[in-house]
Amino acid sequence: QQQVKQSPQSLIVQKGGISIINCAYENTAFDYFPWYQQFPGKGPALLIAIRPDVSEKKEGRFTISFNKSAKQFSLHIMDSQPGDSATYFCAAGYGQNFVFGPGTRLSVLP
Amino acid sequence: NAGVTQTPKFRVLKTGQSMTLLCAQDMNHEYMYWYRQDPGMGLRLIHYSVGEGTTAKGEVPDGYNVSRLKKQNFLLGLESAAPSQTSVYFCASSYYSVGGYTFGSGTRLTVV
Repeated sequence: QQQVKQSPQSLIVQKGGISIINCAYENTAFDYFPWYQQFPGKGPALLIAIRPDVSEKKEGRFTISFNKSAKQFSLHIMDSQPGDSATYFCAAGYGQNFVFGPGTRLSVLP
Repeated sequence: NAGVTQTPKFRVLKTGQSMTLLCAQDMNHEYMYWYRQDPGMGLRLIHYSVGEGTTAKGEVPDGYNVSRLKKQNFLLGLESAAPSQTSVYFCASSYYSVGGYTFGSGTRLTVV
């Protein structure tokens, strides 16, 4: 019930394309779903987050889609840029009880 | 505004040696966390603290101890290092119990 599954493990996208990363969780008590972006040699940085009372949240080129009934959420990066090349982690939890996905390495080709 | 600062950035230990990793935050955050990051396994919570003088176990606490004597500092100790503790360690802090974390830049520890 504590696991968060994330796919794909790696993703290659052309500049200007759409990057989509998917996550699935099991614990229905989870009520906060953040995405983190991590560049090599750096710590993860909060990118965008959503709560289960909304189905979508958009911030610039980044959008989270949330499907509560399916217990799935996804990150969409529109107009992907080479500077978006990084590892992306989804997470899910409540209080101090957070679980991270294994990460997706995104490469955006120029 | 430094955010979350971790020291050291790199360390090589021999099996059985001990060390302390220091995490300092200047954002007046109540909550602090220690995670380890291993390839293909994401981030796993070792210990956390909900305020000065408090600590609690996370998902993978064995072999580690922590202390939070001051609100701004959170120390992670390895009493007798093992090769299985080779990892990248991240400290994080947050103001609220639920919300985004601010992570440090990590400590890469190798135990030989």
